[in-house]
Amino acid sequence: DVKVTQSSRYLVKRTGEKVFLECVQDMDHENMFWYRQDPGLGLRLIYFSYDVKMKEKGDIPEGYSVSREKKERFSLILESASTNQTSMYLCASMKWWVGDTEAFFGQGTRLTVV
Amino acid sequence: GQQVMQIPQYQHVQEGEDFTTYCNSSTTLSNIQWYKQRPGGHPVFLIQLVKSGEVKKQKRLTFQFGEAKKNSSLHITATQTTDVGTYFCAGLSGGSYIPTFGRGTSLIVHP
Repeated sequence: DVKVTQSSRYLVKRTGEKVFLECVQDMDHENMFWYRQDPGLGLRLIYFSYDVKMKEKGDIPEGYSVSREKKERFSLILESASTNQTSMYLCASMKWWVGDTEAFFGQGTRLTVV
Repeated sequence: GQQVMQIPQYQHVQEGEDFTTYCNSSTTLSNIQWYKQRPGGHPVFLIQLVKSGEVKKQKRLTFQFGEAKKNSSLHITATQTTDVGTYFCAGLSGGSYIPTFGRGTSLIVHP
């Protein structure tokens, strides 16, 4: 029944490392998102993709990049991890139709950068 | 840019009491979504409201979309311990497919 799968539940990385967070959805949705969640700040959008190879910056894209080579997979890349990127990262997959909206989140990846 | 404000940040209730969280947008929304996140879990989509003045119910949960499509509320009648979690609203405006999330209201239910 799992619809959005994130590759890792917990990750610990060192400062300066390149980090890949993977997200796969099995619902054939066009729209996929990466959010980070921090206490008291809610969900903040990092990047959004509305189709293969298409991406848009969200509210906090600095220090991140994304890749969407296949419809079902949306990857978040931390080019050079820093301690202020320690956070919970949530991937989401959504479909918009009048009267029929679907939205699913993955289980999240808690990343710690040391 | 669009901002979505959600109040209160926290709400403690005794089991059986009612609970309401409010969501206000700085701009007119095309639709609004509500999510629930259990402690340690991920957000789960509850519902989307599209029409001005729309009211929808899911068992003890009542969702409203304001007439001006700039505010929304979620009301839970007779809370239960299973209602514990953080409730988020997310607004979409114009032709955007990008939901802007409020900061959420954390509901704590005391048995």
